Amino acid sequence: GQNIDQPTEMTATEGAIVQINCTYQTSGFNGLFWYQQHAGEAPTFLSYNVLDGLEEKGRFSSFLSRSKGYSYLLLKELQMKDSASYLCAVTNDYKLSFGAGTTVTVRA
Amino acid sequence: DAEITQSPRHKITETGRQVTLACHQTWNHNNMFWYRQDLGHGLRLIHYSYGVQDTNKGEVSDGYSVSRSNTEDLPLTLESAASSQTSVYFCASSESAGAEAFFGQGTRLTVV
Repeated sequence: GQNIDQPTEMTATEGAIVQINCTYQTSGFNGLFWYQQHAGEAPTFLSYNVLDGLEEKGRFSSFLSRSKGYSYLLLKELQMKDSASYLCAVTNDYKLSFGAGTTVTVRA
Repeated sequence: DAEITQSPRHKITETGRQVTLACHQTWNHNNMFWYRQDLGHGLRLIHYSYGVQDTNKGEVSDGYSVSRSNTEDLPLTLESAASSQTSVYFCASSESAGAEAFFGQGTRLTVV
């Protein structure tokens, strides 16, 4: 089975940093994705980790520890447009299994 | 530009009716997926296909079916719509296990 956990909601101030944690217990693992989803829209790709360590892409970074079943997404220099849901997803045999998502609200 | 499109974007149907949601992609991806998204549950996999004539059940497949007669299309059929199937449905496609999945804009289905 698949068990992917992430916090339901987080609130942060514009310009600040927020870290969204994701823990997983899955029957198989090929890699871990992070997607962003604005309200009423489709999910869009943010990052992919297959090996342990940190992947940096502009203001967004993602970390993976396979031995701990743990990942985090780090959002730096928060902007109002970053208010969205962030979805952690584990891939196994091409299939994506998603966590319930973390809604991030950025306040001015 | 390549894209993935869903139709209709919104649909209201009655309990017991058969409903088909369309998904069309021009990425030429072999892998296609249908998910439903409900509050508190995130995205849950309904059915998926790894290529023409291949279909597989996901974690919430009861009451749904798919067919794959060509690379571009994976229609999702609700055999007899139930109120529990009121949801937002997303279609997605991907090239490989390590490649990002591209999502359609979603279909909001209401069963009354």
